Amino acid sequence: DTAVSQTPKYLVTQMGNDKSIKCEQNLGHDTMYWYKQDSKKFLKIMFSYNNKELIINETVPNRFSPKSPDKAHLNLHINSLELGDSAVYFCASSRLQGISGNTIYFGEGSWLTVV
Amino acid sequence: AQSVTQPDIHITVSEGASLELRCNYSYGATPYLFWYVQSPGQGLQLLLKYFSGDTLVQGIKGFEAEFKRSQSSFNLRKPSVHWSDAAEYFCAVGFPQGGSEKLVFGKGTKLTVNP
Repeated sequence: DTAVSQTPKYLVTQMGNDKSIKCEQNLGHDTMYWYKQDSKKFLKIMFSYNNKELIINETVPNRFSPKSPDKAHLNLHINSLELGDSAVYFCASSRLQGISGNTIYFGEGSWLTVV
Repeated sequence: AQSVTQPDIHITVSEGASLELRCNYSYGATPYLFWYVQSPGQGLQLLLKYFSGDTLVQGIKGFEAEFKRSQSSFNLRKPSVHWSDAAEYFCAVGFPQGGSEKLVFGKGTKLTVNP
């Protein structure tokens, strides 16, 4: 069974559209994340949620809105897509908040291309 | 501020040769260090991690890494590289932030393996 699963894996869409990427983890973890990998392969955190509460928001444009209906799910909604949003978006999860050194488990990534 | 430097953007080795990928970090407290691998078109897989204790840690696929506090380094090694090791390798430092866990990644080292 896939521990952290995200859908869709590939998404091609036009500028100005609104799209969502869904993420689910079956590890029983309390914390979930979204990371972005740009065209130069650089990975950077976008958001983290703990038990449906937003913890980290790394100066991401307001067009990006994470939503966590329960602690096993963290979806990413993007409004008014721009060319620069083209990237790979990784969902991830880890155990208890505030305990350093938790291993973060990543999903397979969602390749978003905006044309 | 926390940062991770991977000095080598691209490394090419012959199959069967030894490998060392360099990683230096900047972090004021005790670091929690990770190496992830990303095969082309794939997600991130954890190779190994250092939290505390023995400074030489063993990981999957025959990889190991050594934490050297005096040099702020966490270099990844493998005694004999296989063609399937060709991938992008990311070093990361983890630390708590606002009750969550955050990974700061290096920019990655691309490994090419010649037959």
